[in-house]
Amino acid sequence: NAGVTQTPKFQVLKTGQSMTLQCAQDMNHEYMSWYRQDPGMGLRLIHYSVGAGITDQGEVPNGYNVSRSTTEDFPLRLLSAAPSQTSVYFCASSYSSGGWSAYEQYFGPGTRLTVT
Amino acid sequence: GDSVTQMEGPVTLSEEAFLTINCTYTATGYPSLFWYVQYPGEGLQLLLKATKADDKGSNKGFEATYRKETTSFHLEKGSVQVSDSAVYFCALSDQEGGKLIFGQGTELSVKP
Repeated sequence: NAGVTQTPKFQVLKTGQSMTLQCAQDMNHEYMSWYRQDPGMGLRLIHYSVGAGITDQGEVPNGYNVSRSTTEDFPLRLLSAAPSQTSVYFCASSYSSGGWSAYEQYFGPGTRLTVT
Repeated sequence: GDSVTQMEGPVTLSEEAFLTINCTYTATGYPSLFWYVQYPGEGLQLLLKATKADDKGSNKGFEATYRKETTSFHLEKGSVQVSDSAVYFCALSDQEGGKLIFGQGTELSVKP
């Protein structure tokens, strides 16, 4: 299994440009999530999905769109990039290891995005 | 809403020293608790977990006990190594499952 894969690893955008960060998992996990990591702030949830065709907003959704057409893929779209979106982005997939809240998350290697 | 608070870093220790990283949480319901580790330039890896009160999670010499009475999940290791240098994140899984709420992370640096 490849686990959770993300592309690209690095990206530089100009303000106003749009792009899509790709995320795929081959573990047949129902749950997938996108986080952003900023210094001193831990990871913050952007959007998540509980299954194909179902998505919802997390803590910091503004400026981002997601869709989930298949179980495997969960792309994150930046509509009009802003310098405030400079961050490291992590995709994760999860399954329940027992109990309604015991979801173990598996993280991808991250995408480092710089918006100038 | 639910939240996680970790002790601030960076924490610098000598090899073979005892490690404690404090973590407290606020949650409605009965969350599961996790410690994740992030080595330089990498994504997060699950280190250990506990799913109910008084559970002890352990892995690679690290331990943490789910204390409901003090809403805490402190990470401990008896003898740290240089290879333990990383950022450690405490997290809880909320009532909807699948979503994690993270603390801000604690950077650990172990010197030989």
